Amino acid sequence: GEDVEQSLFLSVREGDSSVINCTYTDSSSTYLYWYKQEPGAGLQLLTYIFSNMDMKQDQRLTVLLNKKDKHLSLRIADTQTGDSAIYFCAAKTSYDKVIFGPGTSLSVIP
Amino acid sequence: DAGITQSPRHKVTETGTPVTLRCHQTENHRYMYWYRQDPGHGLRLIHYSYGVKDTDKGEVSDGYSVSRSKTEDFLLTLESATSSQTSVYFCAISESGGLGNQPQHFGDGTRLSIL
Repeated sequence: GEDVEQSLFLSVREGDSSVINCTYTDSSSTYLYWYKQEPGAGLQLLTYIFSNMDMKQDQRLTVLLNKKDKHLSLRIADTQTGDSAIYFCAAKTSYDKVIFGPGTSLSVIP
Repeated sequence: DAGITQSPRHKVTETGTPVTLRCHQTENHRYMYWYRQDPGHGLRLIHYSYGVKDTDKGEVSDGYSVSRSKTEDFLLTLESATSSQTSVYFCAISESGGLGNQPQHFGDGTRLSIL
């Protein structure tokens, strides 16, 4: 069945770059999303990429998509303590069905 | 921020009691969703709605029912709550389905504890 995988934890030092990786199984996925969840809050959409794109950049965020390997990554440049959160990768398959990964908990060390 | 309100935000109840969670939106979006979030599982879809009185099951629908009598309200009911339904429940909305690029926007969640 359709699945999205992520590593569960990542720890980086403030000012470094963070790279959060995600793999998905459904090659027909049309849109791939990154969401951020802060403690006690809902998911906030950070960015998304359409499957015919390789890269998307939005300020400190860079999304890379390797469609052949079904691999998605989110790079956060100059990571700040306010970036500490859980990051969810999600893949949109048929008819608005969205599959979420388990989330990667990012800890930023001052 | 998308206008989504979940109520209640927190609830503690006993096994066997009925529970209803409410999601209210002010965006007039057609699609509404209920997810549960559990450690290590991410978000799993319980039920979703693609219009008034139009609903369908998600991947973890057993033990849950939903109703949508108005565009703005989507109710999730646990007919007889069990401890395995202790979770954080999120409502989401989106403007379009199919191959549209409209992402889902989420409410702030309801933390439900069943003792």
